[in-house]
Amino acid sequence: AIRMTQSPSSLSASTGDRVTITCRASQDISTYLAWYQQKPGKAPKLLIYTASSLQSGVPSRFSGSGSGTDFTLTISCLQSEDFATYYCQQYYTYPRTFGQGTKVEIK
Amino acid sequence: EVQLVQSGAEVKKPGESLKISCKGSGYSFTTYWIGWVRQMPGKGLEWMGIIYPGDSDTRYSPSFQGQVTISADKSISTAYLQWSSLKTSDTAIYYCARQSGSNSPLDYWGQGTLVTVSS
Repeated sequence: AIRMTQSPSSLSASTGDRVTITCRASQDISTYLAWYQQKPGKAPKLLIYTASSLQSGVPSRFSGSGSGTDFTLTISCLQSEDFATYYCQQYYTYPRTFGQGTKVEIK
Repeated sequence: EVQLVQSGAEVKKPGESLKISCKGSGYSFTTYWIGWVRQMPGKGLEWMGIIYPGDSDTRYSPSFQGQVTISADKSISTAYLQWSSLKTSDTAIYYCARQSGSNSPLDYWGQGTLVTVSS
């Protein structure tokens, strides 16, 4: 199975900060990469697909980039509602696999 | 409006069987895949498997193959995840989610079903 590795596992940031999370795949997955946001007690929510396409309704402060094995999720200006855990997922092949998650906490 | 509504929380004993459900509405149930994702307490997301209700094509993660069974009843737009003999380590929240095509992300999620297995 393809291994997805996120970094960092957690980070502390302030409202208004620019935040970057990275995700590395153990093999080439082209751009078959999605990012999800999960808030406590809630189901995950799709933010970005095909590495850089914004899901409908997702604020434009979220952006994604990358291809092959290295990907990034950037939040340009962190808002209070963005404090959550973020997961990357490859959908290049089965079994699908998720990264271990990155928890974004309030500094 | 696309909705995936999951069955309610369950409390079971080790060795018992269980089947939880996920009912889709607001879209053509037979033309989208339904996947299942596990989240153990305080842990991350684990992809378990997926089914295409149109023809019951099913794929499993090797980690879950033989441990669970995924099925669907397209006549009632419902997918299922079942266990024949639960273990305490099956305690988790289980999410169903929709996948649009063979190479697509999970775009709509159910609210999750908490399964607690304890003696």
